[in-house]
Amino acid sequence: DQQVKQNSPSLSVQEGRISILNCDYTNSMFDYFLWYKKYPAEGPTFLISISSIKDKNEDGRFTVFLNKSAKHLSLHIVPSQPGDSAVYFCAASEQGAQKLVFGQGTRLTINP
Amino acid sequence: GAVVSQHPSRVICKSGTSVKIECRSLDFQATTMFWYRQFPKQSLMLMATSNEGSKATYEQGVEKDKFLINHASLTLSTLTVTSAHPEDSSFYICSARIGVTNYGYTFGSGTRLTVV
Repeated sequence: DQQVKQNSPSLSVQEGRISILNCDYTNSMFDYFLWYKKYPAEGPTFLISISSIKDKNEDGRFTVFLNKSAKHLSLHIVPSQPGDSAVYFCAASEQGAQKLVFGQGTRLTINP
Repeated sequence: GAVVSQHPSRVICKSGTSVKIECRSLDFQATTMFWYRQFPKQSLMLMATSNEGSKATYEQGVEKDKFLINHASLTLSTLTVTSAHPEDSSFYICSARIGVTNYGYTFGSGTRLTVV
């Protein structure tokens, strides 16, 4: 049972344009969502997060939007840079729970 | 920032042997560590949660006797893959919770295990 889903395995974007990565979830008990970036043969690094009490969180070029009614969140990267090329994972957790549930990841490629 | 050091980064072992993977928290105490497994092009799947000084909690479907987890100190957790088989070949990653906030997770650099 995949509680967190990233339906796009890959995404290719032109440098300077906006990258939009999507994530859907099924567990209505999730109240905290995170995005991680991962390079090959490395562990994930934290990018940005959002609590369920908010619908938007912004940090520099990265913005995460949360639509609770649709159980959907998205990560916007603008402007996209070649160094953003990586696999991006969406993760979620329930209040009081320690563990994170990850999506399958989306491989983002930024083309010069 | 808080760093989790994971070793080895890559290991090749013969079928039937055991392999130990270490994760150390540097400059902070990790009361809880998580062990994940990632198959190619797939999600990070949580295998188990280890708390210092107590038995690990395994996720459904994860064999406790095959994947031995020890968290004997606040800075060290180990995962031992016992009697490894080719199907155990995977990328294993540890993670430590560094605070009470939900973004307080830091990950090790991962271990690529290949069983031949």
